Amino acid sequence: AQTVTQSQPEMSVQEAETVTLSCTYDTSESNYYLFWYKQPPSRQMILVIRQEAYKQQNATENRFSVNFQKAAKSFSLKISDSQLGDTAMYFCAFMKHVNTGGFKTIFGAGTRLFVKA
Amino acid sequence: GAGVSQSPRYKVAKRGQDVALRCDPISGHVSLFWYQQALGQGPEFLTYFQNEAQLDKSGLPSDRFFAERPEGSVSTLKIQRTQQEDSAVYLCASSLGGRLHEQFFGPGTRLTVL
Repeated sequence: AQTVTQSQPEMSVQEAETVTLSCTYDTSESNYYLFWYKQPPSRQMILVIRQEAYKQQNATENRFSVNFQKAAKSFSLKISDSQLGDTAMYFCAFMKHVNTGGFKTIFGAGTRLFVKA
Repeated sequence: GAGVSQSPRYKVAKRGQDVALRCDPISGHVSLFWYQQALGQGPEFLTYFQNEAQLDKSGLPSDRFFAERPEGSVSTLKIQRTQQEDSAVYLCASSLGGRLHEQFFGPGTRLTVL
């Protein structure tokens, strides 16, 4: 069974600093997709960044980037120039195709990030 | 609509009651997912629809949980004979389809079973 582990329940960072959230996963699949989602206190979850497992190049979206280490099954999120609006729960997620023709997404337990002024 | 909507936003049920939770996905989105999110936890997969076909229901915790999407748009998650452990936020998400497309989440329905 696939699992996703986020070992940091809570983190804090000073505004304008850089922070890295860690995520590891366990799978025997060779082809899958990884995501970081952000869930602000209003609870609507939004996608931050995604990575296809077959791509070696790390994904980047503005201030957000990932460090994808396939062999180590690690997928960390780096937030540069942290802003107060980055305060939220961050979930790492793993998606795979299932043999019924659908897709299943497995989420980690989340990391609560506080950005301090 | 502009995004995924869910209703009701809050539902309080007495133990043993049946409840129905509604999800309106983004128009044209093929894929629809239901998740259960306990307090302080990540969402847990319940079921997946591709159009009207329920392709995966392996995450439904018991036969008291039932989901449908009869016309391939609106979906309803029904919970029969609710129990206290069913208390959670139920999230719905839709996507254009395929693993490359992001999931757009609704605000969730917070269910409290007394």
